[in-house]
Amino acid sequence: KNEVEQSPQNLTAQEGEFITINCSYSVGISALHWLQQHPGGGIVSLFMLSSGKKKHGRLIATINIQEKHSSLHITASHPRDSAVYICAVRPDSNYQLIWGAGTKLIIKP
Amino acid sequence: EAGVAQSPRYKIIEKRQSVAFWCNPISGHATLYWYQQILGQGPKLLIQFQNNGVVDDSQLPKDRFSAERLKGVDSTLKIQPAKLEDSAVYLCASSPGVVAGTGEQYFGPGTRLTVT
Repeated sequence: KNEVEQSPQNLTAQEGEFITINCSYSVGISALHWLQQHPGGGIVSLFMLSSGKKKHGRLIATINIQEKHSSLHITASHPRDSAVYICAVRPDSNYQLIWGAGTKLIIKP
Repeated sequence: EAGVAQSPRYKIIEKRQSVAFWCNPISGHATLYWYQQILGQGPKLLIQFQNNGVVDDSQLPKDRFSAERLKGVDSTLKIQPAKLEDSAVYLCASSPGVVAGTGEQYFGPGTRLTVT
């Protein structure tokens, strides 16, 4: 079993829909990252969380440390949000990130 | 603020040839990472520098890969000789964390390597 699991693997939605991507992990962590990767390959860091909730524009990230679970929400989704969204955690035990497999999101106009 | 710069963006070489990638991190960032991302997989850390010292290179195939970060600023990653399985996107990231591995990582655009 992977230490970081994301769901769903693929998600297709219509423009304007509310999107939720989930991340569960099995190790103790000091931080969780949400990142966005576009087809060209570049990765953009969206959030780094250690507790609670963060919001940036239409993106909201939440984390529940006790349940070892985080969600990334996108409100009023737009075709330009189409990308792969990756969850990565930094375990307590060392500094290397453990990466999820990513969720491929397609928003149709 | 300028982001992490990488060059070249794309490179096609034949197996057994050599290739070098360059990364210029965000000014003032102490930590620099090189990742290898094979299509369909998450990034794999190859090497992590803290200033000009190596913090972790446990997953770097040292028989063919080498990396340096002279003067603690920009860095080069070299593959010599390349194999077909080295085809991947090579990502450079930097972080301001003065403690190794802390802080948000900022990624460059990546270099897509194709080995034929």
